[in-house]
Amino acid sequence: DTEVTQTPKHLVMGMTNKKSLKCEQHMGHRAMYWYKQKAKKPPELMFVYSYEKLSINESVPSRFSPECPNSSLLNLHLHALQPEDSALYLCASSQVETATEKLFFGSGTQLSVL
Amino acid sequence: KQEVTQIPAALSVPEGENLVLNCSFTDSAIYNLQWFRQDPGKGLTSLLLIQSSQREQTSGRLNASLDKSSGRSTLYIAASQPGDSATYLCAVCDGNKLVFGAGTILRVKS
Repeated sequence: DTEVTQTPKHLVMGMTNKKSLKCEQHMGHRAMYWYKQKAKKPPELMFVYSYEKLSINESVPSRFSPECPNSSLLNLHLHALQPEDSALYLCASSQVETATEKLFFGSGTQLSVL
Repeated sequence: KQEVTQIPAALSVPEGENLVLNCSFTDSAIYNLQWFRQDPGKGLTSLLLIQSSQREQTSGRLNASLDKSSGRSTLYIAASQPGDSATYLCAVCDGNKLVFGAGTILRVKS
């Protein structure tokens, strides 16, 4: 199984809502990532988890709150988002956290904030 | 700060043509370079990974080369097909994280 599964595929939320994005992998990878991608732009790294601990936080606003319950799961909790946060949110995993091995990406969650 | 540039930004070719996508990076101290494919609104699929000590990697109709000293990589696609239409992104690994280029949007016309 070389798949990273993300749910939901699409999400529309208001600025006062609280929602969560979920990501799961069963490849035994020890590193998991959240990226944000605006239309026609490259993905931007948000967070890296290594062995279930946050190892990189790219100065992301606190309205984005990651959680890694175990080595197979990665959540991104969303609260009080702004319309400019609308984007494709991508989860990825790899064997190690330094991205020196291949990254496997999920198909993403297309988020719209109204 | 590492910067990755991809040229051209967009490319349209007839089916069957061989084509080359270019990627350049400013800091040659990289661990590896990866080429990804992305379909509209979807995630990224890893195509090829070239370690810094390697010169090229091949997978089917795809061949990627790396010239670390000059900060350049190319992705060669042979006998292009309409199904190859997608955005192709290159990314360099600095030993800590990936830095992506903006991508080349490829359209192969049947």
